[in-house]
Amino acid sequence: QVQLVESGGGVVQPGRSLRLSCAASGFTVSNYAVHWVRQAPGKGLEWVAVVRYDGSDKYYADSVKGRFTISRDNSNNTLDLQMDSLRAEDTAIYYCARIKAANSAGDAFDIWGQGTMVTVSS
Amino acid sequence: DIQMTQSPSTLSASVGDRVIITCRASQSIRIWMAWYQQKPGKAPKLLIYKASTLETGVPSRFSGSGSGTEFTLTISSLQPDDFATYYCQQYQLYPWTFGQGTEVEIK
Repeated sequence: QVQLVESGGGVVQPGRSLRLSCAASGFTVSNYAVHWVRQAPGKGLEWVAVVRYDGSDKYYADSVKGRFTISRDNSNNTLDLQMDSLRAEDTAIYYCARIKAANSAGDAFDIWGQGTMVTVSS
Repeated sequence: DIQMTQSPSTLSASVGDRVIITCRASQSIRIWMAWYQQKPGKAPKLLIYKASTLETGVPSRFSGSGSGTEFTLTISSLQPDDFATYYCQQYQLYPWTFGQGTEVEIK
């Protein structure tokens, strides 16, 4: 069964760090681009970051560039999001999402995790 | 960045109604458009990709059209399970961007 499961969310103070993990099953992360997408409470969807299926490039939203780092562990079939210098506006549900086509740079998201909540508050 | 403008933001409709949601891109995205449905407390679900291709398992009452900068999502006959929020998304250029969402509510 193709599945993504996020973990690592929680409550953190502004300025602190948190690391999210996305565990994939039923497919190999090295063959697919897996992205992070977030949704602030009561708000819409915001794309956050991606590492290309071949690991050649990483892209970030301007709102997180320089603070968040995406990485992939092919041996464990997981994707991580290291979030540093967290701000109140980073409070959101964080989803990892896989694109449809293998070995492709761009496609729609066909598999989503259940999401993990990150709350940045003092 | 490519801006995605969805309309309307909220839509009140009845079961059986034909519903049309539009999405406009600030520059051409050719056919690299997807539509998602999201229900409260759930992850989004893919409905349409490449502007008009129906995702496997999605009912045929959903359809997508358009190219370039103008796109539509049509629900031909609204069903009780369709009351949800719908998002468009472009995947032509990074940063990938979503529309602000259209909430379809019961009239």
